[in-house]
Amino acid sequence: EAQVTQNPRYLITVTGKKLTVTCSQNMNHEYMSWYRQDPGLGLRQIYYSMNVEVTDKGDVPEGYKVSRKEKRNFPLILESPSPNQTSLYFCASRRTGIGLSYEQYFGPGTRLTVT
Amino acid sequence: DAKTTQPPSMDCAEGRAANLPCNHSTISGNEYVYWYRQIHSQGPQYIIHGLKNNETNEMASLIITEDRKSSTLILPHATLRDTAVYYCIVRVTGGTSYGKLTFGQGTILTVHP
Repeated sequence: EAQVTQNPRYLITVTGKKLTVTCSQNMNHEYMSWYRQDPGLGLRQIYYSMNVEVTDKGDVPEGYKVSRKEKRNFPLILESPSPNQTSLYFCASRRTGIGLSYEQYFGPGTRLTVT
Repeated sequence: DAKTTQPPSMDCAEGRAANLPCNHSTISGNEYVYWYRQIHSQGPQYIIHGLKNNETNEMASLIITEDRKSSTLILPHATLRDTAVYYCIVRVTGGTSYGKLTFGQGTILTVHP
């Protein structure tokens, strides 16, 4: 089954304790992206990756890091989490190329609480 | 990307057609209309997209007006599981913001028994 998986699905942590949220897709997609969703603000893009070893900032990259060492994985790293990073996080992926549908596949979400 | 305007909420009876409107009066010629939905904090789900012709797939139909300034997503036989937030997104398929989807507030569709 084509899917994007995220782990963990739920996480409660304390300020300053480094954490990683994993994202993996099994569709051989070149493009991957991270979004966060907050009430009243909609989904905002954090980082994206056009392909292996190619990453770039989205709209709200502060406090986050990413890496893309393999095509299927795109982990989101919070080096020193703060309470304002409490949010619902989504990973997404899609094919790239001219003429292909712009359909993006989203993961199930990771609900992060930083106290 | 062009701005979109959607009603904040709509109701529909189960089994009836749900017609969700979207205004995008500033749409340009190379911008597509996309629809996604999000069911209760799950990951957004792609529904359909189109440029100027009407489109239909197994989930829904998309009707785009001739001037492309508005569109309607039609769920032909709504079920309780179609209760969700529906997002209308207008964007080009390339450019410097490649890949980014800009989600507005969407329309909360509630399907009643």
